[in-house]
Amino acid sequence: DQQVKQNSPSLSVQEGRISILNCDYTNSMFDYFLWYKKYPAEGPTFLISISSIKDKNEDGRFTVFLNKSAKHLSLHIVPSQPGDSAVYFCAGQSSNYKLTFGKGTLLTVNP
Amino acid sequence: GAVVSQHPSWVICKSGTSVKIECRSLDFQATTMFWYRQFPKQSLMLMATSNEGSKATYEQGVEKDKFLINHASLTLSTLTVTSAHPEDSSFYICSARGNAGFYYEQYFGPGTRLTVT
Repeated sequence: DQQVKQNSPSLSVQEGRISILNCDYTNSMFDYFLWYKKYPAEGPTFLISISSIKDKNEDGRFTVFLNKSAKHLSLHIVPSQPGDSAVYFCAGQSSNYKLTFGKGTLLTVNP
Repeated sequence: GAVVSQHPSWVICKSGTSVKIECRSLDFQATTMFWYRQFPKQSLMLMATSNEGSKATYEQGVEKDKFLINHASLTLSTLTVTSAHPEDSSFYICSARGNAGFYYEQYFGPGTRLTVT
């Protein structure tokens, strides 16, 4: 049973446009949600997070929105840059800092 | 930011042999380390949590006798895959966090690609 779902395996956008990456979850016990960026053969690097009691968190070009009633969150990247091309993982964090990851979405930003 | 290393980055072993993967926190003391496994185009799956000086806690479905985890010091945890089989071939990633710090401060190593022939 997948507790965190990223239903879009890939997304392609033009440089300068907005990238919207979506994530759904089923576990109501997650305290936080985190987004990670990952390149092939490397470990994930932390990007941005949001507490389960918030609905928005912004950091530069990255904004995460949380809709708790819909159990849905999204990551917005504006403006998108070619260097943003990577796999993005959504993760829910529960007690003891355990992370449950989605399958990831491959973002390609075209120049 | 904090740095976590893994060694080796890539290993090939024969069926039936054991292989050890090291995870080190280079510039902080890691009181907790996590081991994940990722199959191609799949999510990272948490295998176990290890706290320095105590036994690892394994996730449901992970064989503790097959995946031996040792966290003997505040900077080193090891994962030993015993009697490896081809189905154990995967990408193994560790992460580490210190005793203090924000909830999101969990740092990942670069991963180890294990291929069992």
